[in-house]
Amino acid sequence: AQSVTQLGSHVSVSEGALVLLRCNYSSSVPPYLFWYVQYPNQGLQLLLKYTSAATLVKGINGFEAEFKKSETSFHLTKPSAHMSDAAEYFCAVTSNQAGTALIFGKGTTLSVSS
Amino acid sequence: DVKVTQSSRYLVKRTGEKVFLECVQDMDHENMFWYRQDPGLGLRLIYFSYDVKMKEKGDIPEGYSVSREKKERFSLILESASTNQTSMYLCASSFREGLAVSWGEQYFGPGTRLTVT
Repeated sequence: AQSVTQLGSHVSVSEGALVLLRCNYSSSVPPYLFWYVQYPNQGLQLLLKYTSAATLVKGINGFEAEFKKSETSFHLTKPSAHMSDAAEYFCAVTSNQAGTALIFGKGTTLSVSS
Repeated sequence: DVKVTQSSRYLVKRTGEKVFLECVQDMDHENMFWYRQDPGLGLRLIYFSYDVKMKEKGDIPEGYSVSREKKERFSLILESASTNQTSMYLCASSFREGLAVSWGEQYFGPGTRLTVT
């Protein structure tokens, strides 16, 4: 069965520093991978979606993620953190089975300090 | 803009009460989902629906039921609330895309924080 692991439940960076949030999926290549963000007291919103059209996916707010099949990874990056990036980030993967729903990682909380 | 609304942001109920959480989407999405979110556990799927009157169990359906009588509305029911159902409940919806329910982008409501005392 498909699964997803987010390494690090908390990541802290300084404003202007590189943001790297890690996500690994299980060995079978999923059709789609997603990154969602949840700001305090809000629901989740889509940051970006991988659909196999390109390995480097650009999302909203300057985030991007690279799909690496050899490493079974889909890490999220942003070159320069902003205070407003402080939120919880979730990686999610799909499966090929018709009746199954999205599988979420446990989430990574990003803190940004000035 | 896609809008998913949930009936309450905060709810406090007593043990044993029957609880209804309502979710409405305005984008004519085929799929709707109920998750619960707990610290350190991420999102866990309770139930989902891919059409009116159709429902499928997710990972943690025990103690919950759902109803989808109209396409835009998906209700989560706690038949007899217990303290271990204290949690944040998130509703989401998506278009049908391809083979699997999971393939489309999901749009989330703001969540209902339920406390059962």
